[in-house]
Amino acid sequence: GENVEQHPSTLSVQEGDSAVIKCTYSDSASNYFPWYKQELGKRPQLIIDIRSNVGEKKDQRIAVTLNKTAKHFSLHITETQPEDSAVYFCAVTSGYSTLTFGKGTMLLVSP
Amino acid sequence: NAGVTQTPKFQVLKTGQSMTLQCAQDMNHNSMYWYRQDPGMGLRLIYYSASEGTTDKGEVPNGYNVSRLNKREFSLRLESAAPSQTSVYFCASSGGDRGAFFGQGTRLTVV
Repeated sequence: GENVEQHPSTLSVQEGDSAVIKCTYSDSASNYFPWYKQELGKRPQLIIDIRSNVGEKKDQRIAVTLNKTAKHFSLHITETQPEDSAVYFCAVTSGYSTLTFGKGTMLLVSP
Repeated sequence: NAGVTQTPKFQVLKTGQSMTLQCAQDMNHNSMYWYRQDPGMGLRLIYYSASEGTTDKGEVPNGYNVSRLNKREFSLRLESAAPSQTSVYFCASSGGDRGAFFGQGTRLTVV
C-alpha cells in the first residue's frame, strides 16, 4: 500500500518567518495531494490541495509544490503568524477513495 | 449545510461494553471513512466505504465493525471495547474531486 513520510515532526519558527513541511510518497500512481490543518481539539480542515498535473499552487500565504519524479510535495507558509500554530497533515491518494495521511507536523509560531 | 456530523462528542465506556458511533453527511458524497487519531500516530484508517453498499478494511480494523446504512450514514461499532481503543475517532466523507471533509470527532475513553 501507499507509504507517506512527513518531515519534520515538529517545527518552531518566529513570527514572520517561513515554514516548510515536506512529504514523500511511494505510489507513483498517486495523483491528488491535499494538506490539512488541525488546531488543538478540532477536526482536520483542508487548506490547500494539488493534482499531479500541476507543479505548484498558491493561496495567499500558503503554497504547495509537487515533484512527481522525486515523489515528494511540500507545504510552504510565508509570513507566519501565531494563528498558523497547529498540526499539519499531508495526504495522498491514487483515486477517489482512500487517503493515506502522513503522521503530522506540529508547527509552533512564536510572537 | 451541516457537512459531516458525528455523535457522540464524548464517551466513556467500561472494558467489554459496546457502542456505536454515528456519522452522517449531507454533501451527497459517495465515499465515507472512519479514522482514529492517537498522539504521534497521525490519522489511521479503520474502515471505509467507497459507495453505498460497500465497505472495506483500512489499516487498523480489528475490534471494529461498520455499516453503510445509506448514502448519508456510516456507523462504527465497537462490540467489546478495550482500553487500546481509547482514542479520538473521526468520520469523514469525500466526493471525488476534493479531499475528505471531517466530522467534529468523538473522544472515546475505555476504562
